[in-house]
Amino acid sequence: AQSVAQPEDQVNVAEGNPLTVKCTYSVSGNPYLFWYVQYPNRGLQFLLKYITGDNLVKGSYGFEAEFNKSQTSFHLKKPSALVSDSALYFCAVRVDRGSTLGRLYFGRGTQLTVWP
Amino acid sequence: DAGITQSPRYKITETGRQVTLMCHQTWSHSYMFWYRQDLGHGLRLIYYSAAADITDKGEVPDGYVVSRSKTENFPLTLESATRSQTSVYFCASNKDRPNYGYTFGSGTRLTVV
Repeated sequence: AQSVAQPEDQVNVAEGNPLTVKCTYSVSGNPYLFWYVQYPNRGLQFLLKYITGDNLVKGSYGFEAEFNKSQTSFHLKKPSALVSDSALYFCAVRVDRGSTLGRLYFGRGTQLTVWP
Repeated sequence: DAGITQSPRYKITETGRQVTLMCHQTWSHSYMFWYRQDLGHGLRLIYYSAAADITDKGEVPDGYVVSRSKTENFPLTLESATRSQTSVYFCASNKDRPNYGYTFGSGTRLTVV
């Protein structure tokens, strides 16, 4: 079975400090990994994805994520947090095998709060 | 405009009534999905579809019905709404290529009173 874990329901960080939102996954097959962000009363927006190649992936709004195959992790990072980064972040994995074709498996989300 | 649109944006209905949430995408994506989002539960998959006339149950299908007669439309019907179906509903679509993720609609906030 495919699954994604976001071990922290909430992450709090001061503006200007680096931030990390953690994600680990468990899949059968080669994973394609994604991060989405959801601002209040909005739909989920794509941030970045890992498909293959360089383990460090850069995405929108200055975010990046590091794929670590041995630790089955895909942590989201940003060198300097902004108050406007405060939102709900979802990690997701896609593994196109059999009945899972096309489907993304999501973590439960991590609420990021950046205080001034 | 191209994209994925959901309607209505907000809906209040009474217990026992039938209500249909609409989802329309303009990309001809093969896959479409319905999720509900509730506090403490994250996103839960209700139904999904791999193509027109092909649908399958997700994690929480009870009380819901879907159809997909055309590739671009994927309506979700609550046959007899219950208060436990008060939620925010998201539709998403995806290409049949493994390196693509979802594109989400803006959501429908449904309240059952």
